[in-house]
Amino acid sequence: RKEVEQDPGPFNVPEGATVAFNCTYSNSASQSFFWYRQDCRKEPKLLMSVYSSGNEDGRFTAQLNRASQYISLLIRDSKLSDSATYLCVVNFPMDSSYKLIFGSGTRLLVRP
Amino acid sequence: DTEVTQTPKHLVMGMTNKKSLKCEQHMGHRAMYWYKQKAKKPPELMFVYSYEKLSINESVPSRFSPECPNSSLLNLHLHALQPEDSALYLCASSPSGVRTDTQYFGPGTRLTVL
Repeated sequence: RKEVEQDPGPFNVPEGATVAFNCTYSNSASQSFFWYRQDCRKEPKLLMSVYSSGNEDGRFTAQLNRASQYISLLIRDSKLSDSATYLCVVNFPMDSSYKLIFGSGTRLLVRP
Repeated sequence: DTEVTQTPKHLVMGMTNKKSLKCEQHMGHRAMYWYKQKAKKPPELMFVYSYEKLSINESVPSRFSPECPNSSLLNLHLHALQPEDSALYLCASSPSGVRTDTQYFGPGTRLTVL
């Protein structure tokens, strides 16, 4: 089982659509969760951290279900500029440290 | 200002060359990271420096040698690389390296090894 698993897509949606991405992680000791977005040939940029109670930032809503080890990202009213790859990122404990593990990404294409 | 800078943006080198990648941040962050990203794959962690000490080395071949001269700078020295080392090399930093930290990425250096 992959440490962080995402549907690779691509998700091809019209402008204005609502789209949801899912992610599962394998280490129940993980404590921090993030969604990053990465445009083609650019660096990953933080979209939002994911908190246990769920959180919203404008058109974006992230949810965490620790019992199921599942994270989601909902994008409402999709814009052309939302086209990118969305990376689910989870921290994995390592001895006295930790490291971030990236999912393979879900590609979103928003069409006019 | 959450900015991490990296130089050069692009680098082409032969297998016998020695080159260095540079990363800089002025956010007062105390943890810095090197990642390698191949096309259509997620970033993979290579090294972590926490308070200028190497804390994680993900079994990276010795032809990659990291260096952290001070809390703002991170270098990656390259020697005798192979064509399969061609990739985007990303630097990141975070405030203190604790588990809840958010990491901020630089624009990367696109490396081609001939």
